[in-house]
Amino acid sequence: GENVEQHPSTLSVQEGDSAVIKCTYSDSASNYFPWYKQELGKRPQLIIDIRSNVGEKKDQRIAVTLNKTAKHFSLHITETQPEDSAVYFCAASGETGANNLFFGTGTRLTVIP
Amino acid sequence: KAGVTQTPRYLIKTRGQQVTLSCSPISGHRSVSWYQQTPGQGLQFLFEYFSETQRNKGNFPGRFSGRQFSNSRSEMNVSTLELGDSALYLCASSEIAGSGELFFGEGSRLTVL
Repeated sequence: GENVEQHPSTLSVQEGDSAVIKCTYSDSASNYFPWYKQELGKRPQLIIDIRSNVGEKKDQRIAVTLNKTAKHFSLHITETQPEDSAVYFCAASGETGANNLFFGTGTRLTVIP
Repeated sequence: KAGVTQTPRYLIKTRGQQVTLSCSPISGHRSVSWYQQTPGQGLQFLFEYFSETQRNKGNFPGRFSGRQFSNSRSEMNVSTLELGDSALYLCASSEIAGSGELFFGEGSRLTVL
């Protein structure tokens, strides 16, 4: 089955700096790659996603890049703010469909004011 | 629109008991997926239902089961509870099967003593 690895596990940045989180996946059949943000005690919330026919997608301060050949994708957050502090999960779709997601182990991002 | 609603939010059981968790998806969403979240294993896919049929199943023992009703509401059941079943059980809905755009509920936190 699919295996998703995520790095780093923790990340601290100064407010205003950029943050980058990287993930790799193993199954070349995966075609959907979402990113979720989970604040303490809250539900995971989809913040951005990308499909395998696209190399990059941007939404305001958040961007995701995908390299299908290398089987890795990354989340970029620019101009970080304290409210960006949370755990971020990457995921890749399973072979049986995009609702069967394999998640990375999460990155705890702390933005220092 | 109301979000995904899960009940109960918290529950405590003892080993050997069984538990049933309920999930009401976003109105109009016909796909419901269940995930288990633990500190050690992260988010793991349990199963997905669409139109009352199980589409996919994760790598969990047969003690974990689920079903979906004609109104798209879903339940999952865990029988013969073990200590390791303590986790946050998250339900996610999506408009169509395989779309990958999951909207998570707040989860049901199960503690097994």
